[in-house]
Amino acid sequence: QVQLVESGGGVVQPGRSLRLSCAASGFTFSSHGIHWVRQAPGKGLEWVAVIWYDGSNKYYADSVKGRFTISRDNPKNTLWLQMNSLRVEDTAVYYCVRWADNRAMDVWGQGTTVTVSS
Amino acid sequence: DIVMTQTPLSSPVTLGQPASISCRSSESLVPSDGNIYLSWLQQRPGQPPRLLIYKTSQRFSGVPDRFSGSGAGTDFTLKISRVEAEDVGVYYCMQLTQFPHTFGQGTKLEIK
Repeated sequence: QVQLVESGGGVVQPGRSLRLSCAASGFTFSSHGIHWVRQAPGKGLEWVAVIWYDGSNKYYADSVKGRFTISRDNPKNTLWLQMNSLRVEDTAVYYCVRWADNRAMDVWGQGTTVTVSS
Repeated sequence: DIVMTQTPLSSPVTLGQPASISCRSSESLVPSDGNIYLSWLQQRPGQPPRLLIYKTSQRFSGVPDRFSGSGAGTDFTLKISRVEAEDVGVYYCMQLTQFPHTFGQGTKLEIK
């Protein structure tokens, strides 16, 4: 079935780096843009970044611009989020989400938890 | 950035009764190619969000027909015709018209 599985979360100190992965299966990965969305503990949803189906375009939230980088490898059906200079406020569950042709976010992964703490 | 404002933030509802959640955008979600890219998501406790409605009023695959979406311009509504126990959770509107995509604060639906 159509699935997105995130991994790579963990506990990291402020200022350090972490790379999240998202493995896709059950659909043609190279035909879809993919988003990252995060949710801080007990809070709402925040859009983080998007990458076009072919990697040609990328957009970021201002809160992560210059620190996070989204990338993908279509033959490997994998998406990454490289997170540098992490801050306490980056603590959240990070979801990768498929971008459908109708522009909806139609498939969500289960999420991976990132905790930034000294 | 487009700010999405939901009301109410909490909605206690009796089982079998209707529920309605409003979402207002700070700018008109100007239709492009004839569509307004406004979605509604449901997040049940301990679960990732799930798409309910896209393009303002289109029900996503597998979503019960008691859920409906409507609206135009800056005002949008999610309606549940008869609330069931499985509908408990937090509901979010979001706009996908421009970047950054933005979400409402969420509305917590609970049973009275």
